[in-house]
Amino acid sequence: EVQLLESGGGLVQTGGSLRLSCAASGFTFISYAMSWVRQAPGKGLEWVSGIGGSGYTTYYAESVKGRFTISRDNSKNTLYLQVNSLRAEDTAMYYCAKRFSTTSEDAFDIWGQGTMVIVSS
Amino acid sequence: DIQMTQSPSSLSASVGDRVTITCRASQRIRGNLNWYQQIPRKAPKLLIYAASTLQTGVPSRFSGSGSGTDFTLTISSLQPEDFATYYCQQSYSAPPTFGQGTKVEIK
Repeated sequence: EVQLLESGGGLVQTGGSLRLSCAASGFTFISYAMSWVRQAPGKGLEWVSGIGGSGYTTYYAESVKGRFTISRDNSKNTLYLQVNSLRAEDTAMYYCAKRFSTTSEDAFDIWGQGTMVIVSS
Repeated sequence: DIQMTQSPSSLSASVGDRVTITCRASQRIRGNLNWYQQIPRKAPKLLIYAASTLQTGVPSRFSGSGSGTDFTLTISSLQPEDFATYYCQQSYSAPPTFGQGTKVEIK
């Protein structure tokens, strides 16, 4: 069964840091780009960051650039998001998502259950 | 960034109703449009990709259409398990962006 399982969220003070993890199983992890998508309480979905299968190519939303770092360990089938300098507006459920992409199709086809980050002053 | 605007933001419907949700892009995105369903307290689920292709396992009462800037998600006969929030997302250019969501509630 294809599965993504996030962990690492929690309550942190403004300016603090966390490392989110996403353990993948049931598919050839290295073959797929991955992303983090977040959802603030009661709000919509916001793409945060993406990484290519090899890990060499990374992308960030402007709102997190310079504060968040995405990475992956293909030997452990695990995706990471290092979140630093946290702000109140970073409070959200963070989902990891598998991206499937062809020449004409590109979507997030598998999502984890999410890990909650709460930033408090 | 490409802005995605959904309408309506919410709607009330009864079981068996035909429901249509619209998504408009701020610029042309060809057919690079996906639809997701999110049940409360659950992760989003891919329903339709490339504007009209049904993801494996998704019931055939869901359908998508459109190209360019205007897209539609249709549920032909609403079922109890379809009460959820629906999001469109463009995959035409980075960064991927989502619509604000359409909440489908029970009338």
